[in-house]
Amino acid sequence: DAGVTQSPTHLIKTRGQQVTLRCSPKSGHDTVSWYQQALGQGPQFIFQYYEEEERQRGNFPDRFSGHQFPNYSSELNVNALLLGDSALYLCASSLELAGATDTQYFGPGTRLTVL
Amino acid sequence: AQSVTQLGSHVSVSEGALVLLRCNYSSSVPPYLFWYVQYPNQGLQLLLKYTSAATLVKGINGFEAEFKKSETSFHLTKPSAHMSDAAEYFCAVRPAGNMLTFGGGTRLMVKP
Repeated sequence: DAGVTQSPTHLIKTRGQQVTLRCSPKSGHDTVSWYQQALGQGPQFIFQYYEEEERQRGNFPDRFSGHQFPNYSSELNVNALLLGDSALYLCASSLELAGATDTQYFGPGTRLTVL
Repeated sequence: AQSVTQLGSHVSVSEGALVLLRCNYSSSVPPYLFWYVQYPNQGLQLLLKYTSAATLVKGINGFEAEFKKSETSFHLTKPSAHMSDAAEYFCAVRPAGNMLTFGGGTRLMVKP
């Protein structure tokens, strides 16, 4: 049973560029959440996708956008990259029917470095 | 707004000693609480979760945590530390919504 997978593992971009990160949820899961983890800090919630729609959003600017596909996989897009966007981006999947008690399973993350 | 405070960004214990990692939360509604562990260059792995059943929750790798509503705490403990327990530990709260709110993390170091 494959867990949550993310690609790429590492990414280096320059300021002003755009980036797309990808996530495949754990088998059987239908909900995907994205988190940003800056160095030395706890993860911060970016947004969550369910039924191909953004359901909840954290305190992140519109430069951060996402998409969920019919197979439940998801993309995170960041436009006009800033140095402060350098972080580990984590994807987590869960099952909607299990409700709020369900565990969010995390992928290994994508390390984004903005120069 | 919900928040999580982890007291002590770094905790050092000797192998075989008691591990105690502190977590306090603030929540306007009864929360669901989680402890995750993160090994270097990896994602987060769930250790245990509290979902309003038993207040003492047992998790993987010998860890457990006790939910104390009066103290708004959910401290993580392990009777005997092992070298393999060295990692970053995160406490998180999940109220009625879908998002997890994490604390700043505690780095556990285990000395031989």
